[in-house]
Amino acid sequence: GAVVSQHPSWVICKSGTSVKIECRSLDFQATTMFWYRQFPKQSLMLMATSNEGSKATYEQGVEKDKFLINHASLTLSTLTVTSAHPEDSSFYICSAKGQGDYQPQHFGDGTRLSIL
Amino acid sequence: LAKTTQPISMDSYEGQEVNITCSHNNIATNDYITWYQQFPSQGPRFIIQGYKTKVTNEVASLFIPADRKSSTLSLPRVSLSDTAVYYCLVVPSGSARQLTFGSGTQLTVLP
Repeated sequence: GAVVSQHPSWVICKSGTSVKIECRSLDFQATTMFWYRQFPKQSLMLMATSNEGSKATYEQGVEKDKFLINHASLTLSTLTVTSAHPEDSSFYICSAKGQGDYQPQHFGDGTRLSIL
Repeated sequence: LAKTTQPISMDSYEGQEVNITCSHNNIATNDYITWYQQFPSQGPRFIIQGYKTKVTNEVASLFIPADRKSSTLSLPRVSLSDTAVYYCLVVPSGSARQLTFGSGTQLTVLP
């Protein structure tokens, strides 16, 4: 149980392209989903928290107009990297938390984004 | 948010028991302790979670002393496939439960 699916797993695109990443909780309803970014040899850094049906909360230093988050249902959140540039190349990981205060977060397998 | 400190790296041999200790001196009353495992180019995988004393599941045990200022993840009889980064996190209770990842411990299991 508690499976989180993230798609695509790998994207290579040209600078200026917008890229959408999907995160789905397959067997549970996720009231809250999180988006992280991880650079090589570094730890995960939280980018934003999204709650179903409401606007995402972004961490300090994360541009909300650059990283658009939509959490339209209890099983799907999307992250769109708009007008991506090489410095946006990174490993993006989503997680989903089930209902209940003490439910752990379960992570997707990440999306490797490479901007040429 | 409580800060965690854990060793940067550890080496072990196949078949040994591995104990990774994490300190979290300013843990709050309602905080939980959670451990994740991460392989390269994959998302973290939940291992175990606890509040106090001892918690055991099919893959690991978690020991938390009475003062809760530290915790120890115990992996019995490790294999090469247990080579990964292990993260100790102190997680506040509540619906949001944001996670703050530290540097983690790179465990290398040698043959």
